[in-house]
Amino acid sequence: EVQLLESGGGLVQPGGSLRVSCAASGFNFNNYAINWVRQAPGKGLEWVSGISGSGRRTLYTDSVKGRFTISRDPSRNTVSLQMNGLRADDTAVYFCAKDILAGDPEGPFDYWGQGTLVIVSS
Amino acid sequence: DIVMTQSPESLAVSLGERATINCKSSQSVLYSSNNQNYLAWYQQKPGQPPKLLIYGASARESGVPDRFSGGGSGTDFTLTISSLQAEDVAIYYCQQYYTTPRTFGQGTKVEI
Repeated sequence: EVQLLESGGGLVQPGGSLRVSCAASGFNFNNYAINWVRQAPGKGLEWVSGISGSGRRTLYTDSVKGRFTISRDPSRNTVSLQMNGLRADDTAVYFCAKDILAGDPEGPFDYWGQGTLVIVSS
Repeated sequence: DIVMTQSPESLAVSLGERATINCKSSQSVLYSSNNQNYLAWYQQKPGQPPKLLIYGASARESGVPDRFSGGGSGTDFTLTISSLQAEDVAIYYCQQYYTTPRTFGQGTKVEI
């Protein structure tokens, strides 16, 4: 059974840093891209970042480029999102989501975690 | 970025009746080399993550009831629930994965 479990959310001050992680199981982790998608309270879905199965290709939405860094650790089947320079508009539930196809982060998402809440506030 | 626009924003349908949601992309998401539309539909219930229903504009994900169907091509797409059930109350999102960033529509709330 495919499972994705996020952790690391919490309250952080504007300008601060936070690292959220996604622990994956139930599939060949090294084959599939993993993505981060966020949802601000009461709002819609926004794709944030994706990393290929190999880890060699990383993608970001413009609003987080230079502030967020996605990485993966195949020894722990984990994908992390390091978030620096956090702003109030980064407040959201952050979901990790698996690409349906193997390889690069290019497809739709067939499995999602339950999400972790990040609140940026003073 | 490709802008995805859904209509209507909300929809009230009687049990057993048909619900139709529209999604329009600001540019074509039809990949000419394989004739595939890079368009997906998701269902999100309160307090839950989204669930993939349809990909490739019309391919139903495994386990999704056949009352859900997707159609359209190029820039105009539809999600149809042929006979609405109580458990279908949710917000539905379209998403294009033709190019980065993979963008979502704003969502359509379906109620009884």
